[in-house]
Amino acid sequence: SQQGEEDPQALSIQEGENATMNCSYKTSINNLQWYRQNSGRGLVHLILIRSNEREKHSGRLRVTLDTSKKSSSLLITASRAADTASYFCASSGYSSASKIIFGSGTRLSIRP
Amino acid sequence: AAGVIQSPRHLIKEKRETATLKCYPIPRHDTVYWYQQGPGQDPQFLISFYEKMQSDKGSIPDRFSAQQFSDYHSELNMSSLELGDSALYFCASRRSGLSSYEQYFGPGTRLTVT
Repeated sequence: SQQGEEDPQALSIQEGENATMNCSYKTSINNLQWYRQNSGRGLVHLILIRSNEREKHSGRLRVTLDTSKKSSSLLITASRAADTASYFCASSGYSSASKIIFGSGTRLSIRP
Repeated sequence: AAGVIQSPRHLIKEKRETATLKCYPIPRHDTVYWYQQGPGQDPQFLISFYEKMQSDKGSIPDRFSAQQFSDYHSELNMSSLELGDSALYFCASRRSGLSSYEQYFGPGTRLTVT
């Protein structure tokens, strides 16, 4: 991966449980974003957290950012079968035209 | 709301052929990014353009070239195609100057090289 690793690479949980995915990055960032991708489909933006933020919520999603450890986590609460997808973290630097660098993704499977 | 448009959505080419992928950003977005995602891989940044000038370059092969036109749409030209070029190619756009750094992704073009 250009950026770093996501942990775990695959996660299978029971519907209704919480799912936590972790991500590490290598360089200084302006912000970190989480994306969702259904198999072979497009990337859907979930949430963005800026480097000066530590935690952010959006519906059933909670993202944390620890810039000292260069890591982030995505928590999905009360998981549903429709949450089955791959989840990627992606970081962006300070340039106004800065590219996104993706992590290697976590494949999440929700068992009914 | 208008989204990023990519065409074609699917493309099948043979080895050594050429392919051109097109990306139409969201209106008033001036920055375009191209990413390549191989099977089971994470998206890899290829190249980006800001105001029709190349702004950043990633792991783009020399066989590939791209440009952004005056209407801000972008084209990715791929020559001497190889089997390993089979992938999903995403285009993303954003509007510079905004406090939001979110990139909006298109649905992707699936290129299959046989």
